[in-house]
Amino acid sequence: SQTIHQWPATLVQPVGSPLSLECTVEGTSNPNLYWYRQAAGRGLQLLFYSVGIGQISSEVPQNLSASRPQDRQFILSSKKLLLSDSGFYLCAWSSYDYGYTFGSGTRLTVV
Amino acid sequence: GENVEQHPSTLSVQEGDSAVIKCTYSDSASNYFPWYKQELGKRPQLIIDIRSNVGEKKDQRIAVTLNKTAKHFSLHITETQPEDSAVYFCAASDSNYQLIWGAGTKLIIKP
Repeated sequence: SQTIHQWPATLVQPVGSPLSLECTVEGTSNPNLYWYRQAAGRGLQLLFYSVGIGQISSEVPQNLSASRPQDRQFILSSKKLLLSDSGFYLCAWSSYDYGYTFGSGTRLTVV
Repeated sequence: GENVEQHPSTLSVQEGDSAVIKCTYSDSASNYFPWYKQELGKRPQLIIDIRSNVGEKKDQRIAVTLNKTAKHFSLHITETQPEDSAVYFCAASDSNYQLIWGAGTKLIIKP
C-alpha cells in the first residue's frame, strides 16, 4: 500500500534562517506531488506541484522553492525565512485515478 | 480555469441533526469530486468521493450528491455526533487531474 512520510512534525526557526522540509512516498511510482500551506483557520493554498523528476510548477510567487531530486522525494526549501512563512505545511501525492493523500504535516513557526 | 465555491463557511448543528455542505464548480469537464475532513491540527483525510458518472454515493452516515447540470455537489451527514466536528473541504478536478479546493466549512456539533 502507498504511504507518505513528512518531517519534521514541528519546527521553530528564526527569521532569516534557511528551511528544508522533506516528503517521501512509498508504494507507488511516478506520483504527482504537492506542497500546500495552511494558515491558522484558513484553507489550503497550493504552493508547488510536480508531475515528475525535476518538473516543478509554482503556483504562488514567494520566498520558497521546491525540488524533486528523485521520483518519490519532494523537498520544500527557503534560503531566508520570513515571519509570513509561518503555517502548517502539507505534502500530498496523487495519481490521476485517486484523490490526494496528505502527509502528517509540518507546523512551522518563524520567530 | 476551475473555480470551486463552498458554503457555508461555518455550520453549527445540534447533535443528532443532519448537516449539509454545498459546493459549486465552474468547469463542466470536471469529473472527480472528493470531500475531505480535517480535524484540528491534523491532516485532511478523504471521507467520500464521487465521479461524474454517478449522481449519489453513500457510506453509512455520509452521502454525497452531484448535480452535473447545475454544477453543484453536496455533502450530507446524518445523525451528527461530536466527532463530526471538524473542517470539511470539497474539491473538483480540473482537466489536468489537479484538485481545485473549496475554502472549507467549519462544522460545529452542539451537545
